[in-house]
Amino acid sequence: AQSVSQHNHHVILSEAASLELGCNYSYGGTVNLFWYVQYPGQHLQLLLKYFSGDPLVKGIKGFEAEFIKSKFSFNLRKPSVQWSDTAEYFCAVNARGNNAGNMLTFGGGTRLMVKP
Amino acid sequence: NAGVTQTPKFRVLKTGQSMTLLCAQDMNHEYMYWYRQDPGMGLRLIHYSVGEGTTAKGEVPDGYNVSRLKKQNFLLGLESAAPSQTSVYFCASRLTSGSSYEQYFGPGTRLTVT
Repeated sequence: AQSVSQHNHHVILSEAASLELGCNYSYGGTVNLFWYVQYPGQHLQLLLKYFSGDPLVKGIKGFEAEFIKSKFSFNLRKPSVQWSDTAEYFCAVNARGNNAGNMLTFGGGTRLMVKP
Repeated sequence: NAGVTQTPKFRVLKTGQSMTLLCAQDMNHEYMYWYRQDPGMGLRLIHYSVGEGTTAKGEVPDGYNVSRLKKQNFLLGLESAAPSQTSVYFCASRLTSGSSYEQYFGPGTRLTVT
């Protein structure tokens, strides 16, 4: 079974600082990768996704992520964070192939606080 | 489209009580999912359904039952609530075909069991 690790549980940054959130997964086959964001009191929204092709994926609100297959990683980045980026961020993996329900496996989440 | 909706938004139960959470989607999605979200553990899959009349167990199914009598609805039941089931419950749905494996999430139900 696949698993997803997010190394940073809590991150505090000042506005305009650069952000990188780590995500590693364990699965030897083909995967689809996602980053979801949950703003305070809201439901999960998709930030970006990777299925195939260019390993550098651009999402909404200036976020991007890079899939490095050899490292089983899909780190999320943003060059300059804003106060409105304060949220919890979840990495998720869909293991293609033996996955009848096309289930997602989520990491534990990273809570980001951006200080104005 | 309303997307994915969940009823109720909040609920407090006493240990041993039962309740049903309702998830509805108006996007004609085949697949539906129930997750629970607990601090530091991300979202864990409870049960899922790949179509009307079908259900399957996820990662943490014990203590829960589900039913998918209509394509647009997915019900999550707690027959005898326990404090360990205090959590935020999210429903999600997605299409089966096409290149997008994106799941669309509902607003959540915050359940407290005392």
